[in-house]
Amino acid sequence: KAGVTQTPRYLIKTRGQQVTLSCSPISGHRSVSWYQQTPGQGLQFLFEYFSETQRNKGNFPGRFSGRQFSNSRSEMNVSTLELGDSALYLCASTTRGRQDGSNTEAFFGQGTRLTVV
Amino acid sequence: AQTVTQSQPEMSVQEAETVTLSCTYDTSENNYYLFWYKQPPSRQMILVIRQEAYKQQNATENRFSVNFQKAAKSFSLKISDSQLGDTAMYFCAFMRTPPNAGGTSYGKLTFGQGTILTVHP
Repeated sequence: KAGVTQTPRYLIKTRGQQVTLSCSPISGHRSVSWYQQTPGQGLQFLFEYFSETQRNKGNFPGRFSGRQFSNSRSEMNVSTLELGDSALYLCASTTRGRQDGSNTEAFFGQGTRLTVV
Repeated sequence: AQTVTQSQPEMSVQEAETVTLSCTYDTSENNYYLFWYKQPPSRQMILVIRQEAYKQQNATENRFSVNFQKAAKSFSLKISDSQLGDTAMYFCAFMRTPPNAGGTSYGKLTFGQGTILTVHP
């Protein structure tokens, strides 16, 4: 069973540009969440999608947006990049596991390392 | 809103010894899920152990076990017989409830700040 795939793995962008990151969840997983990881702020929740609808959103400016497609693949977009957007962006696909919720687990991709210069 | 606190920024342990990482959380929910994730230098997040709040029995996975104190909102991780490969950043995480088939989803994870664990030979 393939894991969570994030592309690209590395990106270097210039301030003011925009960027799109992609995440393909594990087959059958309908929940996809995005997180930003920085040394100073740690792991912060960006947003979560389930069945093509945004269910939760973290405390990030409107420059950060996302979407989910019918095959559960998700993209996040950051417009007007700032130096502070340099981070590791992690995607996770979550499964309930069993009907009673046991075996619930979030599986993570390897991340996209974004550097804004 | 939920918060997760890891009060130990760094820990170190000798190989083969036991170490305990601390985690406390705050929530008004009664049913939820707690996790410990490991992030080695490769940055790949790996699930170490999970605990369902409705289960009173502490979870164990080989050398890893938790001490789950629901009333105290405490969730510590014990690593026995520490190995060099255990060197990593460890994150405690809270999930309100997993995705369900009813069209709603709460797969969001709230993470603690992380504890860097170094295992010395």
